[in-house]
Amino acid sequence: DQQVKQNSPSLSVQEGRISILNCDYTNSMFDYFLWYKKYPAEGPTFLISISSIKDKNEDGRFTVFLNKSAKHLSLHIVPSQPGDSAVYFCAASGGGNQFYFGTGTSLTVIP
Amino acid sequence: EAGVAQSPRYKIIEKRQSVAFWCNPISGHATLYWYQQILGQGPKLLIQFQNNGVVDDSQLPKDRFSAERLKGVDSTLKIQPAKLEDSAVYLCASSSLGGPSYNEQFFGPGTRLTVL
Repeated sequence: DQQVKQNSPSLSVQEGRISILNCDYTNSMFDYFLWYKKYPAEGPTFLISISSIKDKNEDGRFTVFLNKSAKHLSLHIVPSQPGDSAVYFCAASGGGNQFYFGTGTSLTVIP
Repeated sequence: EAGVAQSPRYKIIEKRQSVAFWCNPISGHATLYWYQQILGQGPKLLIQFQNNGVVDDSQLPKDRFSAERLKGVDSTLKIQPAKLEDSAVYLCASSSLGGPSYNEQFFGPGTRLTVL
């Protein structure tokens, strides 16, 4: 039972444009969400997070939006850079430091 | 601050053989996780430790997988005997119980297991 879903396995964007990565979840008890970035042959690294008490969190070029009623979150990268090319995972938690991960979206930023 | 260390980085074995993976978490992190990531999928939690106690092992195939975290620091994950479907990257992660990043998990580089 996949509680966190990333329906787009891949995304290609031109350098300088906006990248939008989407994530949906099914469990209404989730109250904390994170995005991780993963390069080949490396473990995932934390990118940005958001608590369910907020609907937006921004960190430099990265912004995460949360729509609780739709059980949907998205990651916006503006402007996209070639170094952003990686696999992005969203993860959700309902407490207890246990996280459920999506299947990932492979982002390619074309120079 | 040193990151999460894992070894080996790669392992190739034949089915029915045994294999063990080692993880050293970030110093002071009380919580340690083992994940299995099959190609094309997201990480799936196998087991979660807090100090040397098991918090959740509901998705650990206990007939063949075992894990321990003696002394609440290093951890080992063992598979015995391995099956073809165990081919995956095994990720170790750790997190602290408090502080500003208590909800963030720090991942090691993973061990890529190939079962032939």
